[in-house]
Amino acid sequence: EVQLLGSGGGLVQLGGSLRLSCAASGFSFSSYAMSWVRQAPGKGLEWVSRISGSGGAKYYADSVKGRFTISRDNSENTLYLQMDSLRADDTAVYFCAKGSPAGEDYYYYLDVWGKGATVTVSS
Amino acid sequence: EIVMTQSPATLSVSPGERATLSCRASQSVSSNFAWYQQKPGQAPRLLIYGASTRATGIPARFSGSGSGTEFTLTISSLQSEDFAVYYCQQYNNWPGTFGGGTKVEIK
Repeated sequence: EVQLLGSGGGLVQLGGSLRLSCAASGFSFSSYAMSWVRQAPGKGLEWVSRISGSGGAKYYADSVKGRFTISRDNSENTLYLQMDSLRADDTAVYFCAKGSPAGEDYYYYLDVWGKGATVTVSS
Repeated sequence: EIVMTQSPATLSVSPGERATLSCRASQSVSSNFAWYQQKPGQAPRLLIYGASTRATGIPARFSGSGSGTEFTLTISSLQSEDFAVYYCQQYNNWPGTFGGGTKVEIK
Protein backbone atom coordinates (compact mmCIF):
# COMPACT_ATOMS: atom_id res chain seq x y z
CA GLU A 1 0.00 0.00 0.00
CA VAL A 2 1.29 3.45 -0.92
CA GLN A 3 1.63 5.61 2.19
CA LEU A 4 2.92 9.08 3.00
CA LEU A 5 3.44 10.03 6.63
CA GLY A 6 4.09 13.68 7.32
CA SER A 7 5.66 14.95 10.53
CA GLY A 8 7.44 17.94 12.03
CA GLY A 9 4.59 20.40 12.33
CA GLY A 10 4.12 22.55 15.39
CA LEU A 11 3.96 26.03 16.87
CA VAL A 12 6.77 28.41 15.92
CA GLN A 13 7.47 32.08 16.51
CA LEU A 14 7.31 34.68 13.79
CA GLY A 15 10.62 34.61 11.90
CA GLY A 16 11.45 31.15 13.15
CA SER A 17 12.23 27.91 11.33
CA LEU A 18 10.72 24.45 11.08
CA ARG A 19 11.49 21.35 9.04
CA LEU A 20 8.74 19.06 7.80
CA SER A 21 9.38 15.45 6.84
CA CYS A 22 7.36 13.00 4.80
CA ALA A 23 8.19 9.30 4.99
CA ALA A 24 7.13 7.35 1.93
CA SER A 25 6.47 3.64 1.58
CA GLY A 26 4.89 1.20 -0.83
CA PHE A 27 6.37 2.56 -4.06
CA SER A 28 9.69 3.20 -5.77
CA PHE A 29 10.29 6.60 -4.21
CA SER A 30 13.09 7.81 -6.49
CA SER A 31 10.93 7.23 -9.60
CA TYR A 32 8.36 9.84 -8.64
CA ALA A 33 8.30 13.59 -8.30
CA MET A 34 7.05 14.82 -4.94
CA SER A 35 5.35 17.97 -3.75
CA TRP A 36 4.21 20.01 -0.79
CA VAL A 37 0.75 21.60 -0.85
CA ARG A 38 -0.64 23.75 1.95
CA GLN A 39 -4.08 24.79 3.14
CA ALA A 40 -4.57 27.77 5.41
CA PRO A 41 -7.39 27.46 7.96
CA GLY A 42 -10.75 27.52 6.16
CA LYS A 43 -9.09 28.25 2.81
CA GLY A 44 -8.26 26.48 -0.42
CA LEU A 45 -5.17 24.63 -1.62
CA GLU A 46 -1.84 26.15 -2.59
CA TRP A 47 0.91 24.14 -4.30
CA VAL A 48 4.00 25.34 -2.41
CA SER A 49 6.92 23.42 -3.85
CA ARG A 50 7.86 20.40 -5.89
CA ILE A 51 10.94 18.32 -6.64
CA SER A 52 11.82 15.87 -9.37
CA GLY A 53 12.50 12.20 -8.70
CA SER A 54 16.26 12.69 -8.83
CA GLY A 55 16.07 15.87 -6.76
CA GLY A 56 17.71 17.88 -9.52
CA ALA A 57 14.73 20.08 -10.39
CA LYS A 58 12.99 22.15 -7.75
CA TYR A 59 10.17 24.68 -8.04
CA TYR A 60 8.70 27.11 -5.53
CA ALA A 61 5.62 29.29 -5.34
CA ASP A 62 6.47 33.00 -5.28
CA SER A 63 4.99 33.21 -1.77
CA VAL A 64 7.74 30.99 -0.33
CA LYS A 65 10.66 31.48 -2.75
CA GLY A 66 13.87 32.30 -0.89
CA ARG A 67 12.45 31.15 2.45
CA PHE A 68 11.53 27.48 1.92
CA THR A 69 13.79 24.69 0.64
CA ILE A 70 12.53 21.36 -0.64
CA SER A 71 14.78 18.31 -0.65
CA ARG A 72 14.62 14.55 -0.67
CA ASP A 73 16.70 11.60 0.48
CA ASN A 74 16.04 8.76 -1.92
CA SER A 75 18.09 6.34 0.19
CA GLU A 76 15.73 7.00 3.11
CA ASN A 77 12.50 7.42 1.06
CA THR A 78 11.91 10.77 2.72
CA LEU A 79 10.83 14.20 1.49
CA TYR A 80 11.64 17.38 3.39
CA LEU A 81 10.55 20.99 3.53
CA GLN A 82 12.82 23.40 5.38
CA MET A 83 10.85 26.52 6.28
CA ASP A 84 12.76 29.64 7.38
CA SER A 85 11.74 33.22 8.12
CA LEU A 86 8.23 32.03 8.84
CA ARG A 87 5.38 34.53 8.62
CA ALA A 88 1.87 34.51 10.03
CA ASP A 89 0.43 33.72 6.61
CA ASP A 90 2.46 30.50 6.48
CA THR A 91 0.08 29.08 9.11
CA ALA A 92 -1.52 26.09 7.40
CA VAL A 93 -1.79 22.35 7.14
CA TYR A 94 1.03 21.12 4.93
CA PHE A 95 0.38 18.02 2.84
CA CYS A 96 3.06 16.01 1.10
CA ALA A 97 1.89 14.44 -2.14
CA LYS A 98 3.21 11.99 -4.71
CA GLY A 99 3.31 12.96 -8.34
CA SER A 100 2.20 10.69 -11.15
CA PRO A 101 2.99 9.20 -13.60
CA ALA A 102 6.39 7.72 -12.81
CA GLY A 103 9.29 9.49 -14.45
CA GLU A 104 7.30 12.64 -15.16
CA ASP A 105 8.94 15.66 -13.59
CA TYR A 106 6.77 18.47 -14.95
CA TYR A 107 3.27 17.58 -16.17
CA TYR A 108 2.13 15.55 -13.21
CA TYR A 109 -0.91 15.32 -11.02
CA LEU A 110 -0.95 14.41 -7.32
CA ASP A 111 -2.31 10.90 -6.86
CA VAL A 112 -1.50 10.14 -3.23
CA TRP A 113 -1.56 12.60 -0.34
CA GLY A 114 -0.31 12.34 3.22
CA LYS A 115 -2.47 13.29 6.19
CA GLY A 116 -0.90 16.69 6.69
CA ALA A 117 1.23 18.46 9.28
CA THR A 118 -0.11 21.54 11.01
CA VAL A 119 2.17 24.57 11.19
CA THR A 120 1.14 27.52 13.33
CA VAL A 121 3.20 30.72 13.26
CA SER A 122 2.56 32.97 16.22
CA SER A 123 3.67 36.45 17.14
CA GLU B 1 -0.08 32.47 -12.95
CA ILE B 2 -3.15 30.69 -14.32
CA VAL B 3 -6.32 31.48 -12.39
CA MET B 4 -8.83 28.66 -11.94
CA THR B 5 -12.43 29.74 -11.28
CA GLN B 6 -14.95 27.22 -9.98
CA SER B 7 -18.72 27.55 -10.03
CA PRO B 8 -20.94 27.45 -8.18
CA ALA B 9 -19.29 28.01 -4.80
CA THR B 10 -21.99 25.88 -3.16
CA LEU B 11 -24.25 23.29 -4.74
CA SER B 12 -27.24 21.93 -2.83
CA VAL B 13 -28.29 18.53 -4.15
CA SER B 14 -30.56 15.74 -2.92
CA PRO B 15 -29.14 12.20 -2.65
CA GLY B 16 -29.64 10.34 -5.92
CA GLU B 17 -29.64 13.51 -8.00
CA ARG B 18 -27.05 14.58 -10.56
CA ALA B 19 -24.46 17.23 -9.73
CA THR B 20 -22.56 19.27 -12.30
CA LEU B 21 -19.50 21.30 -11.23
CA SER B 22 -17.67 23.71 -13.50
CA CYS B 23 -14.14 25.06 -13.67
CA ARG B 24 -12.67 27.67 -15.99
CA ALA B 25 -8.97 28.39 -16.58
CA SER B 26 -7.73 31.90 -17.39
CA GLN B 27 -5.72 30.43 -20.28
CA SER B 28 -5.49 27.07 -21.97
CA VAL B 29 -4.16 24.19 -19.85
CA SER B 30 -4.68 21.56 -22.54
CA SER B 31 -5.78 18.38 -20.75
CA ASN B 32 -3.35 18.79 -17.87
CA PHE B 33 -6.22 19.12 -15.45
CA ALA B 34 -7.43 17.27 -12.37
CA TRP B 35 -10.33 17.13 -9.90
CA TYR B 36 -9.92 16.37 -6.18
CA GLN B 37 -12.40 15.66 -3.41
CA GLN B 38 -11.79 16.78 0.16
CA LYS B 39 -13.79 15.94 3.26
CA PRO B 40 -13.44 17.82 6.56
CA GLY B 41 -10.22 17.01 8.38
CA GLN B 42 -8.92 14.85 5.55
CA ALA B 43 -6.37 15.20 2.77
CA PRO B 44 -7.62 15.75 -0.76
CA ARG B 45 -8.25 12.64 -2.85
CA LEU B 46 -7.59 12.49 -6.58
CA LEU B 47 -10.75 11.79 -8.59
CA ILE B 48 -9.94 12.66 -12.20
CA TYR B 49 -6.72 13.40 -14.09
CA GLY B 50 -6.04 14.21 -17.72
CA ALA B 51 -9.41 16.02 -17.60
CA SER B 52 -11.41 12.80 -18.06
CA THR B 53 -9.58 9.74 -16.67
CA ARG B 54 -10.87 8.36 -13.39
CA ALA B 55 -8.19 7.64 -10.79
CA THR B 56 -7.78 4.15 -9.37
CA GLY B 57 -10.75 3.09 -7.27
CA ILE B 58 -12.99 6.02 -8.18
CA PRO B 59 -16.59 4.97 -8.88
CA ALA B 60 -18.00 5.28 -12.39
CA ARG B 61 -20.59 7.81 -11.21
CA PHE B 62 -17.77 10.41 -11.34
CA SER B 63 -16.94 11.67 -14.81
CA GLY B 64 -14.85 14.55 -16.13
CA SER B 65 -14.92 16.36 -19.43
CA GLY B 66 -13.47 19.38 -21.19
CA SER B 67 -10.15 20.66 -22.45
CA GLY B 68 -8.43 23.98 -22.94
CA THR B 69 -10.18 26.37 -20.58
CA GLU B 70 -13.55 24.81 -19.72
CA PHE B 71 -13.98 21.70 -17.61
CA THR B 72 -16.84 19.86 -15.95
CA LEU B 73 -17.13 17.26 -13.21
CA THR B 74 -20.37 15.31 -13.17
CA ILE B 75 -21.55 13.07 -10.36
CA SER B 76 -24.38 11.08 -11.90
CA SER B 77 -26.23 10.03 -8.74
CA LEU B 78 -25.05 11.55 -5.50
CA GLN B 79 -24.36 9.17 -2.64
CA SER B 80 -24.10 10.22 1.02
CA GLU B 81 -20.31 9.87 0.93
CA ASP B 82 -20.04 12.34 -1.98
CA PHE B 83 -20.97 15.39 0.05
CA ALA B 84 -17.65 17.22 0.26
CA VAL B 85 -15.62 20.05 -1.25
CA TYR B 86 -14.33 19.58 -4.79
CA TYR B 87 -11.27 21.34 -6.18
CA CYS B 88 -10.12 21.65 -9.76
CA GLN B 89 -6.41 22.03 -10.56
CA GLN B 90 -4.26 22.69 -13.59
CA TYR B 91 -0.79 21.18 -13.83
CA ASN B 92 0.10 22.54 -17.26
CA ASN B 93 2.12 25.46 -15.93
CA TRP B 94 4.04 26.06 -12.73
CA PRO B 95 2.74 27.00 -10.26
CA GLY B 96 0.02 24.45 -10.57
CA THR B 97 -3.06 26.28 -9.37
CA PHE B 98 -6.26 25.17 -7.71
CA GLY B 99 -9.74 26.59 -7.96
CA GLY B 100 -11.43 27.98 -4.88
CA GLY B 101 -13.58 24.89 -4.45
CA THR B 102 -17.23 23.89 -4.78
CA LYS B 103 -18.96 22.64 -1.66
CA VAL B 104 -21.56 19.99 -2.46
CA GLU B 105 -24.07 19.91 0.37
CA ILE B 106 -27.21 17.98 1.14
CA LYS B 107 -30.40 19.72 0.02
